[in-house]
Amino acid sequence: DQQVKQNSPSLSVQEGRISILNCDYTNSMFDYFLWYKKYPAEGPTFLISISSIKDKNEDGRFTVFLNKSAKHLSLHIVPSQPGDSAVYFCAALTMDSNYQLIWGAGTKLIIKP
Amino acid sequence: NAGVTQTPKFRVLKTGQSMTLLCAQDMNHEYMYWYRQDPGMGLRLIHYSVGEGTTAKGEVPDGYNVSRLKKQNFLLGLESAAPSQTSVYFCASRTGTGMQYFGPGTRLTVL
Repeated sequence: DQQVKQNSPSLSVQEGRISILNCDYTNSMFDYFLWYKKYPAEGPTFLISISSIKDKNEDGRFTVFLNKSAKHLSLHIVPSQPGDSAVYFCAALTMDSNYQLIWGAGTKLIIKP
Repeated sequence: NAGVTQTPKFRVLKTGQSMTLLCAQDMNHEYMYWYRQDPGMGLRLIHYSVGEGTTAKGEVPDGYNVSRLKKQNFLLGLESAAPSQTSVYFCASRTGTGMQYFGPGTRLTVL
């Protein structure tokens, strides 16, 4: 039973346009949601997070939106740049589970020049 | 400040062989984790540690053992490797606020 789902294995976006990556979850008890970015042959690196009590968090070109009623979050990248080409993982945690992260399967983002 | 390092980067084993993967962090983090990542799947937690001398099972612990004898090191052992353990293994440590920092990964192939 996947608690965190990323239904798009890949996404291709033109450079300069908006990239929207989606994530759905089933556990309404999650306290935080995080996005990690992963380049080939490297470990994931933290990108941005959002608390379950917020509906939006912004950091430069990256914005995460949370819709609790729909159990859905999305990561917006504007404008998309070639260096954004990577695999993006959505993850969620509950604080009472020792902050263990539950991971989605990832979406490979390809930015076309 | 090297962050999280993993040794080795690559390894090929034959079925039944044993090996130990080493993870080291220099950020003085209490919590450390071992994950595996397989194609088309998210990271799955194998074992974790909440401090020196402690270990706990994660989602997929079977076939693995761990030890945390020193705060900065977290070892993952495979006593009798199986082809199903072919994967990329990531170690992570985390801050008090929950953010996890990852090593570069170890790519293991079991023939």
